[in-house]
Amino acid sequence: GQQVMQIPQYQHVQEGEDFTTYCNSSTTLSNIQWYKQRPGGHPVFLIQLVKSGEVKKQKRLTFQFGEAKKNSSLHITATQTTDVGTYFCAGRGTGRRALTFGSGTRLQVQP
Amino acid sequence: GAVVSQHPSRVICKSGTSVKIECRSLDFQATTMFWYRQFPKQSLMLMATSNEGSKATYEQGVEKDKFLINHASLTLSTLTVTSAHPEDSSFYICSASGVATEAFFGQGTRLTVV
Repeated sequence: GQQVMQIPQYQHVQEGEDFTTYCNSSTTLSNIQWYKQRPGGHPVFLIQLVKSGEVKKQKRLTFQFGEAKKNSSLHITATQTTDVGTYFCAGRGTGRRALTFGSGTRLQVQP
Repeated sequence: GAVVSQHPSRVICKSGTSVKIECRSLDFQATTMFWYRQFPKQSLMLMATSNEGSKATYEQGVEKDKFLINHASLTLSTLTVTSAHPEDSSFYICSASGVATEAFFGQGTRLTVV
């Protein structure tokens, strides 16, 4: 079945440093979404990428979708303590409505 | 964004009893709802997909007789954990999908079986 791998599992950065998490799918995706989950909370939708090679920005966050539509990345510039949480990518395979979630990257930001 | 309400947020039950979790889409019609389970520090694992008016589709390894899903209307899906055991303790979360492809998540239910 479809598998979505995400690295790293955990990252601890100093406030102001950059952060990147990478997502790789075993199969081609029709689209990929990114979610943020705070401790004790539920996943909150951040963005969806659909087109091959697509790049989207949200303030300090930059999202990329690979040319082959099998990988994606989320980059945060100049992290802040409010960025703390677990970031999940979630891919949707062709013809499939359910999302397959990556393993998540837990970000800890040291003030 | 759309609102999905999940209830209860926390429940503690005795081993052997059943627990029902409700997931409602408040401002849109959810033709499809998904139920996920998340163990501590792990990712969300899809349990089943429910389509309004038809039987749910369960993922491999998920017991359909233990996790009963009902999606009788376009705004309500329920998950019943039957004869719960301590190993069923987990965070259960639903998401609803309407015409758009974005998934809206409920607040989640933390189930503790003692």
